[in-house]
Amino acid sequence: QKEVEQNSGPLSVPEGAIASLNCTYSDRGSQSFFWYRQYSGKSPELIMSIYSNGDKEDGRFTAQLNKASQYVSLLIRDSQPSDSATYLCAVKGIKAAGNKLTFGGGTRVLVKP
Amino acid sequence: EPEVTQTPSHQVTQMGQEVILRCVPISNHLYFYWYRQILGQKVEFLVSFYNNEISEKSEIFDDQFSVERPDGSNFTLKIRSTKLEDSAMYFCASSENFGGPSNQPQHFGDGTRLSIL
Repeated sequence: QKEVEQNSGPLSVPEGAIASLNCTYSDRGSQSFFWYRQYSGKSPELIMSIYSNGDKEDGRFTAQLNKASQYVSLLIRDSQPSDSATYLCAVKGIKAAGNKLTFGGGTRVLVKP
Repeated sequence: EPEVTQTPSHQVTQMGQEVILRCVPISNHLYFYWYRQILGQKVEFLVSFYNNEISEKSEIFDDQFSVERPDGSNFTLKIRSTKLEDSAMYFCASSENFGGPSNQPQHFGDGTRLSIL
């Protein structure tokens, strides 16, 4: 079983629409969850962090965490062409003494004008 | 905004040669990390470093790899005898300790593209 799973996409959304990305993880004791955006050939850029169940909003982005179901999601409202990128879900598990992040394979998002 | 800086941006090396990748973490950060990403694959953890010692390493981080903080600002990754399969983007990251390291996000540098010929 993969530790962190994401649908690879591409997820194609029209400009102005909501993009919904999902991520599931296997380590039930995971504590911290992060969404990174990665443009092609570039480094991961932190968008959101979430640590407790529920929703967390930051501008056009909302992260949602459900530890009982072991999933975390990201909503991008009013999607813009500049949001076209790969979105990486990263999880820090309870066993990670050195705070390592385990990444999913990423979901590629295409926002069409 | 403070950022993690990495040099060089691109390194081309012959197989079997040693290579050193350099990183300057964000100045008030205490935890340092190396990750790698083979083209088209996921980002993989290599090693974490705190208080001048390795706190965790992955199976990838074998005896050919080493890390060092030679002074108060630099953090380096050395690959002793490079293999073709070491070709990848290598990312350095750092995080604060304030409030507990578990909850501190890791900030990534722009990466070094390592090409082994």
